[in-house]
Amino acid sequence: DIQMTQSPSSLSTSVGDRVTITCQASQDITTYLNWYQQKPGKAPKLLIYDASNLERGVPSRFSGSGSGTSFTLTISSLQPDDFATYYCQQYRSLPYSFGPGTRLDIK
Amino acid sequence: QVQLQQWGAGLLKPSETLSLTCAVYGGSFSDYYWTWIRQPPGKGLEWIGEVNHSGTSNYNPSLKSRVTISVDMSKNQFSLKLNSVTAADTAVYFCAKTGGFWTGYFDSWGQGMLVTVSS
Repeated sequence: DIQMTQSPSSLSTSVGDRVTITCQASQDITTYLNWYQQKPGKAPKLLIYDASNLERGVPSRFSGSGSGTSFTLTISSLQPDDFATYYCQQYRSLPYSFGPGTRLDIK
Repeated sequence: QVQLQQWGAGLLKPSETLSLTCAVYGGSFSDYYWTWIRQPPGKGLEWIGEVNHSGTSNYNPSLKSRVTISVDMSKNQFSLKLNSVTAADTAVYFCAKTGGFWTGYFDSWGQGMLVTVSS
């Protein structure tokens, strides 16, 4: 099975900050990597698919990059609506697996 | 835009069978894989398994001996059964749809349902 890790596990940030979250895979997953945002009590929302493709309707301040085993999600200028938990997910091979999440808090 | 609505029993006793159903509204049932994902309270996401329109299914090996995911195309629904539940199966269960038949990202989700296992 492919193991996913994320760093940091949590981050205290402010509106307007540039935020970068890192996701690492235990083996090469090429670009089969997706990013989700989850708010308390809600289902996750797809932000980025295939490492760098922005899902329709997602603001352009979100971007993704990387390939192989190392990936990043960047929020260029944090907005109040962005305080949430972010998960990466691989689909290079079954079973699909998620990272443990990164929680963004208000500083 | 595909919408998913899920339901089922929310409180189970140990050793009982968890049973959830997800209805699909809009879109073609044949063009995607239909998936179940769970999230224990305060924890991360775990992929349970998936099924396509022909009934072909894939399961997480950690649950494979206890899980069945099936599809009812006549009703545009798919279902999850997890037998012999324990407290460790307490979680919010989500149904979800992949972005395409050959993709593994989840672009539509059900509202989630908390299933509690307690004696």
